[in-house]
Amino acid sequence: DTAVSQTPKYLVTQMGNDKSIKCEQNLGHDTMYWYKQDSKKFLKIMFSYNNKELIINETVPNRFSPKSPDKAHLNLHINSLELGDSAVYFCASSLIPGTGSGANEKLFFGSGTQLSVL
Amino acid sequence: LAKTTQPISMDSYEGQEVNITCSHNNIATNDYITWYQQFPSQGPRFIIQGYKTKVTNEVASLFIPADRKSSTLSLPRVSLSDTAVYYCLVGGVATNKLIFGTGTLLAVQP
Repeated sequence: DTAVSQTPKYLVTQMGNDKSIKCEQNLGHDTMYWYKQDSKKFLKIMFSYNNKELIINETVPNRFSPKSPDKAHLNLHINSLELGDSAVYFCASSLIPGTGSGANEKLFFGSGTQLSVL
Repeated sequence: LAKTTQPISMDSYEGQEVNITCSHNNIATNDYITWYQQFPSQGPRFIIQGYKTKVTNEVASLFIPADRKSSTLSLPRVSLSDTAVYYCLVGGVATNKLIFGTGTLLAVQP
């Protein structure tokens, strides 16, 4: 069983379209994340949810809207796609929300969604 | 925020021990040091985590000096399948102190 699964794996679309990426984790974790990895392989956090509540929202355009129907799911909806949105998007989860204590705070990543905006 | 600095790339041969060093001069008292491995077309995978001194698991060892301003990931006897990008991460998880560095591309040759 895949621990963190995201769909689709590849997403090719035109500028201006709206698209969604789905993520599910079966690890029983409380916290889920979305990361963006650009062509230079920089991995940046976008959002973090703990028990369906937003706890991290980095400087991300409001065209990106995460939705968490329950703590096992965190979907990413993107409106009015732009060329610069092309990247690999990773979903991740962790057990403990984090107080900076570190211990047991491992991130489990999905296999990524390669988004190409034409 | 504790920023990390790693070599962009390293080359090695099969069977050798590889040491990748990460600098994190501004590490905070409560920060842990975590290393992840990423293969092409996959998400990063946790390798090892430590706070101070030495940590060893079945995959790697992590050496952290007393001042904690750097850390070294040691991979014993690498194989071709260890070719990947290795990220050093300092901080907690669900805080805005999450910073992945540029990563080190390790290329293992036969």
